[in-house]
Amino acid sequence: QSALTQPRSVSGSPGQSVTISCTGTSGDVGSNNYVSWYQQHPGKAPKLIIYDVNKRPSGVPDRFSGSKSGNTASLTISGLQAEDEADYYCCSYAVTYVVFGGGTTLTVL
Amino acid sequence: EVQLVESGGGLVQPGGSLRLSCVASGFTFSTYAINWVRQAPGEGLEWVSAISGGGETTYYADSVNGRCTISRDNSKNTVYLQMNSLRAEDTAVYFCARWISNYDYWGQGTLVTVSS
Repeated sequence: QSALTQPRSVSGSPGQSVTISCTGTSGDVGSNNYVSWYQQHPGKAPKLIIYDVNKRPSGVPDRFSGSKSGNTASLTISGLQAEDEADYYCCSYAVTYVVFGGGTTLTVL
Repeated sequence: EVQLVESGGGLVQPGGSLRLSCVASGFTFSTYAINWVRQAPGEGLEWVSAISGGGETTYYADSVNGRCTISRDNSKNTVYLQMNSLRAEDTAVYFCARWISNYDYWGQGTLVTVSS
């Protein structure tokens, strides 16, 4: 049940794109397509922004996209906006447990 | 409207017990698994426990296995997390969340503080 590996922080200027990686193992990220991503602003509950690797819930802008290759999933945010500044967590199903990444703080410069 | 509301958090001494509750509304409760996820102050999200819609299957993180019990009462649309032998490292905001291969709805969280 080891946490997935994410960079601690990323940054970008408004309008730019950033990508956050999430590395797991063949027992979690690499074994299924139940990878999801969550956005969390300070003091708030997490919000689902990507599910099943690359699907977006209703209401989430298409600036957010997800992908996966092998044991690594990625979240890309294009056209950065000030309100995108938040913590981002990846998450993977692993049959008898669920595992999160350590979280990445996105700073919009 | 789907809602999840946690309660039961508070200050407890090391070695003590607490029971958290998560009351759901706005969906057919018995058809969804519910999970508990916690977040220590300034830290990331940590999965704690899961229970299937009917309550027959439960899972626990290694960090709480043997000290926590998850259960549900579908007649009351409520999931419980009984936490025993609490330690300082259990201090966190505890969220309940609906699971459907992802967490599509979350509660606002309840704070558990373990301190003497």
